[in-house]
Amino acid sequence: KNEVEQSPQNLTAQEGEFITINCSYSVGISALHWLQQHPGGGIVSLFMLSSGKKKHGRLIATINIQEKHSSLHITASHPRDSAVYICARNTGNQFYFGTGTSLTVIP
Amino acid sequence: EAQVTQNPRYLITVTGKKLTVTCSQNMNHEYMSWYRQDPGLGLRQIYYSMNVEVTDKGDVPEGYKVSRKEKRNFPLILESPSPNQTSLYFCASSVTYTGELFFGEGSRLTVL
Repeated sequence: KNEVEQSPQNLTAQEGEFITINCSYSVGISALHWLQQHPGGGIVSLFMLSSGKKKHGRLIATINIQEKHSSLHITASHPRDSAVYICARNTGNQFYFGTGTSLTVIP
Repeated sequence: EAQVTQNPRYLITVTGKKLTVTCSQNMNHEYMSWYRQDPGLGLRQIYYSMNVEVTDKGDVPEGYKVSRKEKRNFPLILESPSPNQTSLYFCASSVTYTGELFFGEGSRLTVL
């Protein structure tokens, strides 16, 4: 029923590396959201996409509606990017979430 | 400051003792929703509200109630809490159901 799959589940990178997190889903969507959750629990919205590509600073999010796939890219990763990244699909009035990708960036 | 405020942030209670977790937003958002987050399962939607007096079930509504009498408030009620409702709860709001979500800081609930 959920069918929001994220990969990888865990990711460790060296500072400065380019990072990609993938999200796939199997039903139609109104929008696709990327969220960030830091240790300590607070959740922040990074992007909301219904088509194409968005960029905010070092973060880029893309979506391919036909393939039902989205990616979150982090360029020039930094230790402060260490967090859990969560993909969520908005279908109708409801939200369904992936289980998250835990990213650790090592100095 | 635009924010979503949840209370309490931490609560330990016992089975069967009714409790309410409050959620308030100051952004005049129409859409509000509740989620629980459990290890390995991620976030799951409990209930949502499209506007005042309009609420509907999410993915995991069993054991919970909600009400939306005012636009800014969306309390989550556990009439008879059970240990399987031990979880981290988040409230969120957005302009509409297709908008960017703004989350509260979370409420960690333990039911003994």
